[in-house]
Amino acid sequence: GENVEQHPSTLSVQEGDSAVIKCTYSDSASNYFPWYKQELGKRPQLIIDIRSNVGEKKDQRIAVTLNKTAKHFSLHITETQPEDSAVYFCAASIKGWGTYKYIFGTGTRLKVLA
Amino acid sequence: DVKVTQSSRYLVKRTGEKVFLECVQDMDHENMFWYRQDPGLGLRLIYFSYDVKMKEKGDIPEGYSVSREKKERFSLILESASTNQTSMYLCASTSGQGGFGGYTFGSGTRLTVV
Repeated sequence: GENVEQHPSTLSVQEGDSAVIKCTYSDSASNYFPWYKQELGKRPQLIIDIRSNVGEKKDQRIAVTLNKTAKHFSLHITETQPEDSAVYFCAASIKGWGTYKYIFGTGTRLKVLA
Repeated sequence: DVKVTQSSRYLVKRTGEKVFLECVQDMDHENMFWYRQDPGLGLRLIYFSYDVKMKEKGDIPEGYSVSREKKERFSLILESASTNQTSMYLCASTSGQGGFGGYTFGSGTRLTVV
């Protein structure tokens, strides 16, 4: 079936360094890839997304890249800060019956060390 | 701001009980989803609905059912709760034309079955 693989499962970086989280999806028909940030005890929040007709998208310190041929997409966080510490989930859209649904990766726990 | 409200933040139920988890959204979204979140497994789709009275199975529907009698409300039902259903349950909604735009999640219900 459809799946999304996400790596690494945990990531520790020094404050100010960059962090990269990678995902691979299986359904070549997927055309939308959102990223969610979940702080401890809170709901997942959409932080950035990319459509399949775009190779890269940036929003201040975060960026997402997409390689459709390889079915890879990645989240890049530059100049990390302690408040970036959270669990990050990638997802890929899948056409379901009547609507689209998202298949999520297993999550990456990012720790930014001050 | 779109609001997705889950009626209970924490629930403790006994094995064999019938359990109802309620979710209400206030933005007239057609699509609603129930996921469960477990450490190391990410978010897994249980059921979704794209219209009133319409429901489709997700990836892990066994032991669950759903009800959508009104557009704003999507209920998850555990017919006979078991300990392996102890988890965090997240409801989400989207207007999601073409799968774009991302979900808005509720705050989650942490269910413990004893």
